[in-house]
Amino acid sequence: SQKIEQNSEALNIQEGKTATLTCNYTNYSPAYLQWYRQDPGRGPVFLLLIRENEKEKRKERLKVTFDTTLKQSLFHITASQPADSATYLCALDIVFGAGKSTFGDGTTLTVKP
Amino acid sequence: EAQVTQNPRYLITVTGKKLTVTCSQNMNHEYMSWYRQDPGLGLRQIYYSMNVEVTDKGDVPEGYKVSRKEKRNFPLILESPSPNQTSLYFCASSLGLAPRTGELFFGEGSRLTVL
Repeated sequence: SQKIEQNSEALNIQEGKTATLTCNYTNYSPAYLQWYRQDPGRGPVFLLLIRENEKEKRKERLKVTFDTTLKQSLFHITASQPADSATYLCALDIVFGAGKSTFGDGTTLTVKP
Repeated sequence: EAQVTQNPRYLITVTGKKLTVTCSQNMNHEYMSWYRQDPGLGLRQIYYSMNVEVTDKGDVPEGYKVSRKEKRNFPLILESPSPNQTSLYFCASSLGLAPRTGELFFGEGSRLTVL
């Protein structure tokens, strides 16, 4: 069956370190993958989108990689800050424009000062 | 301000009492979708709409109805709510269908409790 797994429910790191979050999928061939941030009681907010033919995407302190052979995406936050503490969700879209996005359960990141 | 607005934000109701959760976006987006979020199950898609008068089922459509009569509005209808529909609901929209416009804009959520 199709499955999306994000590494451990919670990740705790020290301020200034790099946080690395993992999104693994099985039995999917996603056309593209997205990462969202969700704060408690709020709706998810879009961060980055990476297509199947792209290996890496960057935006300020954020970096996403996409390895279709390993069926894995890594999401990095460099020089992490307490304000980066939130839950991060990955989402897969199998077909361009099909409209069906499937989300992982999310990883809750806590950055300690 | 560009936004997706959901109402009500909080609702407690009883089994079988029909209710509608409204969703409106002011960004002229073609695509709209409803999700429910439950602990341990993540965000699951209920229904989505590619454009006016075009709707399709997501992964968990049972017990829900939607309509898309206008581009800006996409209400979620629970004809006969049951306790297993107690959840946090999110409406989302995006500009179009190509990956460069695949970014989803989410509303603030509607927390529904069915007793």
